[in-house]
Formats: sequence, structure tokens, C-alpha cells
Amino acid sequence: NAGVTQTPKFQVLKTGQSMTLQCAQDMNHEYMSWYRQDPGMGLRLIHYSVGAGITDQGEVPNGYNVSRSTTEDFPLRLLSAAPSQTSVYFCASSRDNNYGYTFGSGTRLTVV
Amino acid sequence: KQEVTQIPAALSVPEGENLVLNCSFTDSAIYNLQWFRQDPGKGLTSLLLIQSSQREQTSGRLNASLDKSSGRSTLYIAASQPGDSATYLCAAPGNGNNRLAFGKGNQVVVIP
Repeated sequence: NAGVTQTPKFQVLKTGQSMTLQCAQDMNHEYMSWYRQDPGMGLRLIHYSVGAGITDQGEVPNGYNVSRSTTEDFPLRLLSAAPSQTSVYFCASSRDNNYGYTFGSGTRLTVV
Repeated sequence: KQEVTQIPAALSVPEGENLVLNCSFTDSAIYNLQWFRQDPGKGLTSLLLIQSSQREQTSGRLNASLDKSSGRSTLYIAASQPGDSATYLCAAPGNGNNRLAFGKGNQVVVIP
């Protein structure tokens, strides 16, 4: 099992550009989430999904979109990048309420 | 809203001492609680998952306890080693298990 795979690992964007951060898991997990990690702020939930076709907003959803067309994939879209979105982004997945979460290795995004 | 607090934010200990890291959470209606380790510039590695029905969980030199009634969890690391230097994160579910709330972490330095 590859676990949770995030691509790319690093990305530099110009303000106003759009991009998609990819997240894929091969563990047949129903729950998937996106977090951002900023110094002094800790990890904050952006969006999450409890299964294919179901998504919901987390703590800091503005400026981001998600979709869940398959169990395996949960891409995060930045619609119009802003410097405030400079952060490290983590994707995570879990089987269900009785299991813990597995995290990807992260995407370090810089918006200039 | 689940809020997670970790104390102390940072600590340094000499090699061989036992480490005690504290985590408190506000919503005790949790299915489980998870402890992670994060090395600088890296992703999150799951250390221990404690189910709500358990009082503690052990893995090697690591032991985590859970007291739901008081909203507390403690991570013990026995006989600390320089390789234990990292940030330790506590995560508790809020609004079901499909969204995690994180503390800001305990940054640990073990001095050889």
C-alpha cells in the first residue's frame, strides 16, 4: 500500500493563478480531509468528505473547492491564489469512526 | 466546537529522562484520540490511537492515557533519546469522527 499520496510536494504560484493539489489513497478509506498548517496556528481543517459524492466545509474553507468523485481521490482546488494561502497542505484519510487517520507527506505552497 | 490544548508548548530534557506531554480537549463525546509525531519539514506520523473505551495504549517506550470525563490525555515517553526530538501533536474528533481538531503541539528537544 502506498498510503496517502500527495502531489506536488512543492509549488510556487503567482497571485491570481489557480491550481489543484492532488490527494489519493489506496486503503479504501471513506473519510478524507484537507488541512493547512501555519506557524503559530497549528493544523486547521479546510474541507472534508465522508464518502464519494459527499463533501463539507471545515474551519477555513474560503478560497478552496473540493470534490469527491471516487473513493480514492480528493483534490483540493485553489480558485485564485492569494499570498495568505502560502502554507503547508496535508491530506488525511481514515476508514471509519473506529480507526485513526493516516496523513500524506504534504504539499508546500508559496504564493508570490 | 472541539478545542484541543497542549501544554507545555516546548520543553527540553536531558537524555534518559521520562517525558510527559499533556493534551486537553473540550468535547468529551469522542470516539478516539490520536497522538502524532512531526519532524521538521515532514508530515505527521501516527504514534498511538486510543479508543474511547480504553484508558491507555502502549507501544514500546510510548504510553498514552485517556480520561474522557476530565477531557485529558497524556503521552509518556520513557527513557528519552535524542531521536525523540520532534513535535508531538494531539488530535481529537469533533462533530463525529470525520473531522479532527489539533492542538498546537509539544515541541520536544532531548539533549544528549
